[in-house]
Amino acid sequence: GAVVSQHPSRVICKSGTSVKIECRSLDFQATTMFWYRQFPKQSLMLMATSNEGSKATYEQGVEKDKFLINHASLTLSTLTVTSAHPEDSSFYICSASAGEGVTEAFFGQGTRLTVV
Amino acid sequence: GQNIDQPTEMTATEGAIVQINCTYQTSGFNGLFWYQQHAGEAPTFLSYNVLDGLEEKGRFSSFLSRSKGYSYLLLKELQMKDSASYLCAPMDSNYQLIWGAGTKLIIKP
Repeated sequence: GAVVSQHPSRVICKSGTSVKIECRSLDFQATTMFWYRQFPKQSLMLMATSNEGSKATYEQGVEKDKFLINHASLTLSTLTVTSAHPEDSSFYICSASAGEGVTEAFFGQGTRLTVV
Repeated sequence: GQNIDQPTEMTATEGAIVQINCTYQTSGFNGLFWYQQHAGEAPTFLSYNVLDGLEEKGRFSSFLSRSKGYSYLLLKELQMKDSASYLCAPMDSNYQLIWGAGTKLIIKP
């Protein structure tokens, strides 16, 4: 299957700082990328959907000014957690799809963020 | 509203067969995916059903009944490495995956 690379896999940051997470599709052009967060023993929660070259669509309850998403190219999307707080500590996962309609979502490896 | 219902946890024995059931309610339907997720890792794709019936892929099979809003994942010849969470994810009319909490499968020797 297609490869999606997410970096970093783990990050520890101080409260109040910002953290950037990258998601790259290595062997296909990702027209749409999805950002999820997952708390322990809970389901994936969709945060936002981003299409290349346009603004991301955020799910209800997700602060767009806190979770900045950029999808500047067909192979790269970034999620920046600004002014991180301990409650932002979570597992963040990106996924990418190659087209519209029904397509398999390919997931990155995930990023474990710990804010201290 | 949209809803996914799966058992929270199941236990099975190595070498045996286990069936993980999923019922769902979505706004529109564009097929149903099953994903496997090991602890601390991202989900990996297992299967996709859009028509009623059984899809077999090696040790894993997935079944769908659209009229009943029901699917199951069947795992045969269980191995210890199959210990993971299994996520049932139907796709709604907006082509969005709807995620439940998944079923944690524990395999015992």
